[in-house]
Amino acid sequence: DVKVTQSSRYLVKRTGEKVFLECVQDMDHENMFWYRQDPGLGLRLIYFSYDVKMKEKGDIPEGYSVSREKKERFSLILESASTNQTSMYLCASTLGGGGWQPQHFGDGTRLSIL
Amino acid sequence: DAKTTQPPSMDCAEGRAANLPCNHSTISGNEYVYWYRQIHSQGPQYIIHGLKNNETNEMASLIITEDRKSSTLILPHATLRDTAVYYCIVRAQAGAYNFNKFYFGSGTKLNVKP
Repeated sequence: DVKVTQSSRYLVKRTGEKVFLECVQDMDHENMFWYRQDPGLGLRLIYFSYDVKMKEKGDIPEGYSVSREKKERFSLILESASTNQTSMYLCASTLGGGGWQPQHFGDGTRLSIL
Repeated sequence: DAKTTQPPSMDCAEGRAANLPCNHSTISGNEYVYWYRQIHSQGPQYIIHGLKNNETNEMASLIITEDRKSSTLILPHATLRDTAVYYCIVRAQAGAYNFNKFYFGSGTKLNVKP
């Protein structure tokens, strides 16, 4: 089975802090994604990556950056955390080679910015 | 990507089959139907997907109508642990670098009752 592991289930940080969310997948997937999920808004794509050191902006990239130094690891960085970034953050991965492959998600990190 | 319509909630008795409908009347010929579920406080879990033919795996069956305008996810023997929000997603097969942004709507809250 595909395993997508997010480093923390719950995280509390303060406004202005630099926050790192880590995601690791064990299936040698080319593509990795970061979403945030908010009540009434569904999942919104922040960033995705289709290869090591490659990244593309999703629908809501402002205030975030990402890093993919190794194929299995995709990090989401909140440069200067703000209260409106309090959310559930979800990482996903999928095989490359065509868009029909389903995405596999981690269990999420519930981030609170105080 | 085609819009999907799902009932907001459904009840099912434990041990009975749960049939979750999804309308996607504007679906195009190259668009797949995916089903995910999300149990409270966890990440979305991939269930099944299909293009034209009915599909079955260890979790569920997917029945797609001949005109492809609707589909039904069937959980053959629902258990209490199947209580979750179920999402029906329709999206096209992407090119090599046009990645599958999954748009999760509101889904159907399935309540499995003893």
